[in-house]
Amino acid sequence: AQSVTQLDSHVSVSEGTPVLLRCNYSSSYSPSLFWYVQHPNKGLQLLLKYTSAATLVKGINGFEAEFKKSETSFHLTKPSAHMSDAAEYFCVVSDSQGWGKLIFGQGTELSVKP
Amino acid sequence: DAGVTQSPTHLIKTRGQQVTLRCSPKSGHDTVSWYQQALGQGPQFIFQYYEEEERQRGNFPDRFSGHQFPNYSSELNVNALLLGDSALYLCASSSKGAGGTETQYFGPGTRLLVL
Repeated sequence: AQSVTQLDSHVSVSEGTPVLLRCNYSSSYSPSLFWYVQHPNKGLQLLLKYTSAATLVKGINGFEAEFKKSETSFHLTKPSAHMSDAAEYFCVVSDSQGWGKLIFGQGTELSVKP
Repeated sequence: DAGVTQSPTHLIKTRGQQVTLRCSPKSGHDTVSWYQQALGQGPQFIFQYYEEEERQRGNFPDRFSGHQFPNYSSELNVNALLLGDSALYLCASSSKGAGGTETQYFGPGTRLLVL
């Protein structure tokens, strides 16, 4: 069975400092991995996805993630946080052997202090 | 190009009632998936529709049912509502009926409150 574990339920950073949101995955085969962001009272927006091409994936708004098979990790980073980055972030694995059911982590709430 | 749209945005029902939520997929998409997001949780997969058939189902009771129309839009029906059905219901669409590598695009959701 596939699963993802987000290691922090809440992360707080100061504006202009780096962001690191941690995610570990479990999968019996090569996974498709995604990061989605959810702003308050909004739907989910795709930040980036990994589908077995380059291990360093660049997304929107300056975010990127690195797929590390040896560590079964897919951590999300951004060099410099902006106030508008405050939101809930979800690490997601896709049931790529089936029909693409998405399996979500519990989410990490990112707070950005001025 | 319109993205995924859902209606209504908010809904209040009482226990035992029935509810229907609607979703129009992104232009060019033919596959619709539904997810339930309880407060403080990640979304949970309910089911997926492709070619007007339920193709895959998550761990939800039969009270949850759906439909897909020839224009690819979809409905989610929940019967005999329970307090625990209170949640944000998200619709996602994707293209080509493909499997796990296709990106799913989400609508803004319908927030259901069961009293």
